[in-house]
Amino acid sequence: GIQVEQSPPDLILQEGANSTLRCNFSDSVNNLQWFHQNPWGQLINLFYIPSGTKQNGRLSATTVATERYSLLYISSSQTTDSGVYFCAGSLSETSGSRLTFGEGTQLTVNP
Amino acid sequence: KAGVTQTPRYLIKTRGQQVTLSCSPISGHRSVSWYQQTPGQGLQFLFEYFSETQRNKGNFPGRFSGRQFSNSRSEMNVSTLELGDSALYLCASSLRLRGLGYGYTFGSGTRLTVV
Repeated sequence: GIQVEQSPPDLILQEGANSTLRCNFSDSVNNLQWFHQNPWGQLINLFYIPSGTKQNGRLSATTVATERYSLLYISSSQTTDSGVYFCAGSLSETSGSRLTFGEGTQLTVNP
Repeated sequence: KAGVTQTPRYLIKTRGQQVTLSCSPISGHRSVSWYQQTPGQGLQFLFEYFSETQRNKGNFPGRFSGRQFSNSRSEMNVSTLELGDSALYLCASSLRLRGLGYGYTFGSGTRLTVV
């Protein structure tokens, strides 16, 4: 199966700071997605981004599929951005549902 | 529209018992996937159901099983519970349409504690 490596594992920011989270894949992936897990455990889908760049408010993501990595940008961070950020992908179109997750980046935003 | 609904939210069971968890996907979504999350193993894929058929299965023992009903609601069952089955169980629904990708929406999860 594929290996998903996320960095950094932990990140502490002051409110208002910007950050970049990275996700590397050991193989070409389909269905690349970024999630935010809130303190109550729910995984919120931030982006479905198999390639290219997308933006949603203060968040944006870029996937360079040919180089097997994806980046998540958080600008002007807020305390509500705290939580764990996961990237995930699947190996092929037919295994689309079998997402492999990284270990996550634990983000803490201090007021 | 309503999101993915998982019940119950919390559950405490004794070793050796069995448990059934329920997941109602977003209306119109026919794919339901289950994941187990533990501090040691992270998020791991259990299985996926689509149109009442299991389409994919992860590397879990046969004690873990599931099914999907005609209304797309899914249940997963764990028999002969072990302490190591304590985890957050997450259900995700997806349109699963070829060519449109497999963006997932997760439920709030069921936190199972085995004592």
